[in-house]
Amino acid sequence: AQTVTQSQPEMSVQEAETVTLSCTYDTSESDYYLFWYKQPPSRQMILVIRQEAYKQQNATENRFSVNFQKAAKSFSLKISDSQLGDAAMYFCAYRSAAGNQFYFGTGTSLTVIP
Amino acid sequence: KAGVTQTPRYLIKTRGQQVTLSCSPISGHRSVSWYQQTPGQGLQFLFEYFSETQRNKGNFPGRFSGRQFSNSRSEMNVSTLELGDSALYLCASSATGGASPLHFGNGTRLTVT
Repeated sequence: AQTVTQSQPEMSVQEAETVTLSCTYDTSESDYYLFWYKQPPSRQMILVIRQEAYKQQNATENRFSVNFQKAAKSFSLKISDSQLGDAAMYFCAYRSAAGNQFYFGTGTSLTVIP
Repeated sequence: KAGVTQTPRYLIKTRGQQVTLSCSPISGHRSVSWYQQTPGQGLQFLFEYFSETQRNKGNFPGRFSGRQFSNSRSEMNVSTLELGDSALYLCASSATGGASPLHFGNGTRLTVT
């Protein structure tokens, strides 16, 4: 089974600053999809951004962008101009193009300091 | 479109009892997955249903079971509850296709006393 590793259990960032959350994964497949989810204290998991492995261009959604390094099996999330509402647990997830199951990392708790 | 709906939001049960959780997916989504979330274990995959068939199963004991109905609604049942079953149970639905993300409900917070 694929494994997804988030090595930073907790991170903090000053409001308006930039923070990068790390994610690595282990797979022997070449075609897959990667996702970042946000879970605020309200507990509903929300999709932040996704990346198709066959696309070289890094995905961007407003203040959120990824640094996808396929050879290194790395998929980090960069949050620019951090806002108080960005405080949440962030989960990285992997899904094979050939399969149906999602594999999640253990999450990174992000604190935004005013 | 309405999002994924989970009921109830909170549940308190006693050890040994059984419980049934319900999930209504986004209209048109045929895949429904269930996850158990605890502070120590993170998100643990329980099972996934697609068109009324269990397609994937996580590493949970047989006390955890589920089903999916013809309208894609899904239920999850836990029998003989143990204290360790206290957790947030998340349901998620997705459309067909690898790039389709999971859409999560608000979860059911189960407390076993």
